[in-house]
Amino acid sequence: GESVGLHLPTLSVQEGDNSIINCAYSNSASDYFIWYKQESGKGPQFIIDIRSNMDKRQGQRVTVLLNKTVKHLSLQIAATQPGDSAVYFCAENSPNFGNEKLTFGTGTRLTIIP
Amino acid sequence: NAGVTQTPKFRILKIGQSMTLQCTQDMNHNYMYWYRQDPGMGLKLIYYSVGAGITDKGEVPNGYNVSRSTTEDFPLRLELAAPSQTSVYFCASSYGQPGVGPQHFGDGTRLSIL
Repeated sequence: GESVGLHLPTLSVQEGDNSIINCAYSNSASDYFIWYKQESGKGPQFIIDIRSNMDKRQGQRVTVLLNKTVKHLSLQIAATQPGDSAVYFCAENSPNFGNEKLTFGTGTRLTIIP
Repeated sequence: NAGVTQTPKFRILKIGQSMTLQCTQDMNHNYMYWYRQDPGMGLKLIYYSVGAGITDKGEVPNGYNVSRSTTEDFPLRLELAAPSQTSVYFCASSYGQPGVGPQHFGDGTRLSIL
């Protein structure tokens, strides 16, 4: 099965509120994590990444939190806007003797309610 | 800066036909990837390339072939199209191996095999 998964397949949030999208991963050796946003009919768009030596990283209106103890990753989006409606994926990179690859989760659909 | 460009955007094939999905990137990235995305599933790696002249299989390579004659181009070929190959195909590129930095995606080719 998937080594990266999401707790909630759908999430609806009122415009202007904050949203939190969660992701669980199973490989404790994973050292790099990425969040992508995918709008309808488009390819995944890079949002933010974090390495395993960090607990938190902030971007513009987005924050990623990494809890290695429970193997959990979250994406926080502040002051959501209609343009934030999309599917959000997390991905993890597991070291594999130079043969690394990303493993992608199935995605959470975020809907912003006007 | 166009990033990763995929053509065509849509295609319908009959069973047994062949076609080539084109992918080009203008970021001078060494690494390039082909994924397929099926409904409700995470992206699955078909083939990847670490540089011109070097390609390798991913998780789901059967029924596909690739070549990498230049840094910029990474075409994916379907020789005998089958209904199971109906999917959305994404090409991606990255500066280094997966654990170094994010992969950047094109907007996909939506392929139906009838």
